[in-house]
This record gives sequence, C-alpha cells and structure tokens, in this order.
Amino acid sequence: AQTVTQSQPEMSVQEAETVTLSCTYDTSENNYYLFWYKQPPSRQMILVIRQEAYKQQNATENRFSVNFQKAAKSFSLKISDSQLGDTAMYFCAFMKPPYGQNFVFGPGTRLSVLP
Amino acid sequence: GAVVSQHPSWVICKSGTSVKIECRSLDFQATTMFWYRQFPKQSLMLMATSNEGSKATYEQGVEKDKFLINHASLTLSTLTVTSAHPEDSSFYICSAPGPNTEAFFGQGTRLTVV
Repeated sequence: AQTVTQSQPEMSVQEAETVTLSCTYDTSENNYYLFWYKQPPSRQMILVIRQEAYKQQNATENRFSVNFQKAAKSFSLKISDSQLGDTAMYFCAFMKPPYGQNFVFGPGTRLSVLP
Repeated sequence: GAVVSQHPSWVICKSGTSVKIECRSLDFQATTMFWYRQFPKQSLMLMATSNEGSKATYEQGVEKDKFLINHASLTLSTLTVTSAHPEDSSFYICSAPGPNTEAFFGQGTRLTVV
C-alpha cells in the first residue's frame, strides 16, 4: 500500500517570502501521479499542482513549483512570493494508475502567511 | 472547468435518524466517485468508492450498512448515514476523477449529530 508523509504539521512564512513544504511517499509503482492540494478555511479542496512520475521536469504553476526526486521518493512544494491568501492546509497526494483511482493523502501541513 | 456539487453543505440531525448527502458532477460524467471523511485538523480518509450501476467498494473498517452509497446515474452519487450517532459527526467530502488525472472535489458536508 502507498503511504504519504508530511513531516511538518505547521509552518509559517512572512508575506512575500518563500517557503518549502516537504512530502515523501512510499510506493513500489514505477508510474504514478503526485499532487499538492490546498484546503483553505472554506474547506474546498483546490488543486495547486500536479506531477507525473514519468516526467523528469519539475512542474511549475506561477508562484508554485515542485522539487520531484523520484529516487528519493520526495515531492516538495515551493511557494514563492507568499500571499495572505496562501494561508491554508496543504495536502500532498498520491495516485496510482490506472486513471481514475482514489487519492492517498498525507496528513497535511498547516501554512500561515504572516503580514 | 469541471465542477462537483455537494449538498447539503451542513446538516444537523438527531441521533437515530438518517441523513443523505448528494454529490453531483455538473458538466461531466463520473462512473466513479469517491467518498472521504475528514476529522478536525486531520487528513482525508477514503471511506468508499462509488461505482455507477454496481455496488460500492468500502475501505476496511467502514460499515457498509451504516454508510449506504448509491450511484444510480453517471452524474449522481449519494451517501446516506443511517441511524446516525454523535460519533458520526464529521466532515464528508466527495470527489470525481477529472479528465486530466486530477480530482474534482465537492464543497464538503459538515454533519453534526445531536
């Protein structure tokens, strides 16, 4: 079974600074998908970024980028120029193929962006 | 983009009664939907996989007779919490696979059993 670990229960960052959230996972699969989801106080789950394991290039989405280290089974999220609206729970998630499987979520990291 | 609508967003019910939660895919078909439960300050835990036209698949430890799932159409899955008790109070979230491997989540339902 796959497991996802997020070792930082809580983090804080000053507005406009950069923060990195850690995620490691365990799987015997060679092909899979990794995601970062954000859950703000509204509790609506919002996709932040996605990475396919077969792609070596790290995914980026505006201020959000990942450092995907397949051999180390590490998938960290970097948030640049942090904004107050980035305050939320962040969940790292794993999905194995085939398409349409359920997600396995990490325990989450609560990020607070301070003014 | 694809939208999943979950209703109601919150519900309070008396102990012993049943509560139905709906999850609809609004602009796409979902042969599979997932139901998660989230305790305060914790992660999402998969409860069951809802399959259109067939029986749901429940995760270990989830009582299928308490959490009834019906996926009668390609756009609707329902979760019924039967004979609810205070320990069933939680946040329930549904999701459906999107066209590009991502999942689309409903807004969630906060259930309080008194």
